[in-house]
Amino acid sequence: DTAVSQTPKYLVTQMGNDKSIKCEQNLGHDTMYWYKQDSKKFLKIMFSYNNKELIINETVPNRFSPKSPDKAHLNLHINSLELGDSAVYFCASSQELDESNEKLFFGSGTQLSVL
Amino acid sequence: AQSVAQPEDQVNVAEGNPLTVKCTYSVSGNPYLFWYVQYPNRGLQFLLKYITGDNLVKGSYGFEAEFNKSQTSFHLKKPSALVSDSALYFCAVCEYSGAGSYQLTFGKGTKLSVIP
Repeated sequence: DTAVSQTPKYLVTQMGNDKSIKCEQNLGHDTMYWYKQDSKKFLKIMFSYNNKELIINETVPNRFSPKSPDKAHLNLHINSLELGDSAVYFCASSQELDESNEKLFFGSGTQLSVL
Repeated sequence: AQSVAQPEDQVNVAEGNPLTVKCTYSVSGNPYLFWYVQYPNRGLQFLLKYITGDNLVKGSYGFEAEFNKSQTSFHLKKPSALVSDSALYFCAVCEYSGAGSYQLTFGKGTKLSVIP
């Protein structure tokens, strides 16, 4: 069974559209994340979310909104897509532990292409 | 803010030779350092971490990393490279992101190519 699963794997869409990427984890973890990997493979955190609170990265445009119906799911909704949003988006999860044990489990990624 | 730097975009090594992927860190306080590997079209996988204790940390797939406080480095090493080790390697540091949460901040990645 896949521990962290994302859908869709590939997403091709037009500028201005609204799209969502879904993520589910079956590890019983309390914390989930969204990361963006650009064309140069640079990986940057977008959001983290645990049982208590959504932690928003200030550099993320407010067109991006994470939604968590329960602790096993963290979906990413993107409004008014722009060309620069093209990237691979990774979902990840971890136990809510302290900084000495922050081991992440990653999904296989969603490659978003905005035309 | 905590950060890590990977000075090499790409490392090429012949199969069977030892490999080193470099990482330096900049943190305030005790560093909590990690290495992750990304195979093509896959998500990142945890390799190893340094929290405290021995400076030489052993991880998955025969990899190890050496923590050097004086040089603020955490280089990834393997005594004998395999073609299957070819992948993208990320160094990361854990930092507090607020409201009781922690996050990993990654370096820009180093592409390792092992040549048969």
